[in-house]
Amino acid sequence: GIQVEQSPPDLILQEGANSTLRCNFSDSVNNLQWFHQNPWGQLINLFYIPSGTKQNGRLSATTVATERYSLLYISSSQTTDSGVYFCAVGKGGKLIFGQGTELSVKP
Amino acid sequence: SAVISQKPSRDICQRGTSLTIQCQVDSQVTMMFWYRQQPGQSLTLIATANQGSEATYESGFVIDKFPISRPNLTFSTLTVSNMSPEDSSIYLCSVLPRAGYNEQFFGPGTRLTVL
Repeated sequence: GIQVEQSPPDLILQEGANSTLRCNFSDSVNNLQWFHQNPWGQLINLFYIPSGTKQNGRLSATTVATERYSLLYISSSQTTDSGVYFCAVGKGGKLIFGQGTELSVKP
Repeated sequence: SAVISQKPSRDICQRGTSLTIQCQVDSQVTMMFWYRQQPGQSLTLIATANQGSEATYESGFVIDKFPISRPNLTFSTLTVSNMSPEDSSIYLCSVLPRAGYNEQFFGPGTRLTVL
């Protein structure tokens, strides 16, 4: 099956810092999504990005499908950005999740 | 997107009992799924809930343990049967709103603790 690897597993930032999260996957996919899981367990959709680049406020994402990786950029981080960030890839509707990056933003 | 609700939001159950989790969507959707997230872990797909027929289970999950119903295009249930402490997890339903639309949306989850 498809393997999804995220790095780094943990990240601690000072408020205002920038960061890049990476997602590598082992096969071609027709879906790639980034999620933020808040402390209450809810998954928030950040990006649907099987290819190309998208931006939403302080967040942006780039997927290079031919090289099988995606990057999530967080700029000017805030304490509310803390939580776990998941990359998930899919084929035929099913999503396969990476292990996540746990981000902690300190004030 | 779709608005998805789950009931209950959390529960504490005794081992050996069963719990049924409901997932309700505010509009008809093509596909519904159930995922499990064990403590400190990532999400794993349990099964695809098929409308009007038996669910399609992933490797490691069986119908006797996780029976699933999907009577219509807006509703599904997942039952966790004969529970043990290892079943303590967050259970999430997700949907694909319409055919040809690949972005998946998740419900708020049900946090289950088995004593």
